[in-house]
Formats: sequence, C-alpha cells, structure tokens
Amino acid sequence: GAGVSQSPSNKVTEKGKDVELRCDPISGHTALYWYRQSLGQGLEFLIYFQGNSAPDKSGLPSDRFSAERTGGSVSTLTIQRTQQEDSAVYLCASSGQGAFYNSPLHFGNGTRLTVT
Amino acid sequence: SQELEQSPQSLIVQEGKNLTINCTSSKTLYGLYWYKQKYGEGLIFLMMLQKGGEEKSHEKITAKLDEKKQQSSLHITASQPSHAGIYLCGAPDIYNFNKFYFGSGTKLNVKP
Repeated sequence: GAGVSQSPSNKVTEKGKDVELRCDPISGHTALYWYRQSLGQGLEFLIYFQGNSAPDKSGLPSDRFSAERTGGSVSTLTIQRTQQEDSAVYLCASSGQGAFYNSPLHFGNGTRLTVT
Repeated sequence: SQELEQSPQSLIVQEGKNLTINCTSSKTLYGLYWYKQKYGEGLIFLMMLQKGGEEKSHEKITAKLDEKKQQSSLHITASQPSHAGIYLCGAPDIYNFNKFYFGSGTKLNVKP
C-alpha cells in the first residue's frame, strides 16, 4: 500500500514569507508526528496528533509554527514569517496507534525547506 | 527530557567486516526502535525491542536491548555497501509517551 506522502519535496522561500508543508499519512493510521532535521542534527520533535484528541504541540519552537490535521488524515505544517534558521528537512511520520502502544512510526521522505 | 546518545557518531568499515553501534538512554527505556536513513530519504523502520534482554535479527542486522544499562546495540555482520547510511535509535519519552525521541545518528560508510 501507499506510504506516507509529503509535499513538496523541496521548497525554497524568501525570508519573511509563509510556507505550508503537507503530509498525507498511511490510510487508517491514527497517530501523526512532525519532526525537524537540521543539517548534521538529530530529529527534533515538533507536534503529535492522535485521533480526535488535542494535539501535543510542546515541541513547536515558536508561535510562528502551527499545524493542523483535517478529518483525522492529512496534516499541514505552517511556518509564518520564515527565518533562515528554519531551513531544515521536515519529516512527517504516521503510526497505527502511536509510540505509546509500541506501534512503529512510518516516515515520509520529508520536505527540504531552504530559506534564503 | 530524555536523551539518546549514539556511538560512534560515524564509522567507516571495509566490506565484509562486522560492526556495532550503541544507543544509550539517559532514562528508563520502554521500548527501543532502530531506523536507517539514506541521504534525501525518510527513515526506514528496522526493528523494535520491547523487553529487557530481547534480541531481534533481520538479515545480517541484530539488535539487543539491555534494560539495566538503558542501552541497545545494533550489530551488522559481514557488512555490505548496501548497509551504508545513517542509523538512528528512537524511544518514547517516559514522561510523555506522545513524544518519541531519537538519537543523533551514526553515519556508516562501507568501503567496497
């Protein structure tokens, strides 16, 4: 079946512009994660959605970052007024039930964001 | 917060050699996952360890979990160029299972 799909695969934007990154999880997966991977760094947790529960936003680095998940499926990560330090690969993952239930995360190929 | 430290940070081995990558947690481990990442791609799930002393194998890759040491090791036997990539360990945060932490990764190069 289809895996996690992310779009666009690459995005170049000017400093100060807003960007939207999209994630289409595996069908039927209730848990969805966003991570950021900066050059030479590990994965930084951003936000977690589980079913219809309120998302865990504790990893969002600033109020310029927001995410939503419509209909329990597709998710959009929005970065407002982008800064150069936002340049990174943004990875989305989905899971059948979430890591709490020892259900593995399945990752998309990521969106490489470059802020010039 | 929970931290996962991986060692070594990078590794270059000759094809056919064995190697081991370690992942040590600063807190109690409730499950440990291993992933592999190739440049420009997402993470590929390798295996999950849930219990202390558990050992799993997939092809030439074996992973073990030592709960007492809060550590996991990934061992590759008779390495091949196809094993090259970045290996990351991940685990749920014991204070917030919604959060899933990753180590910073071990970059493996296999020389033919």
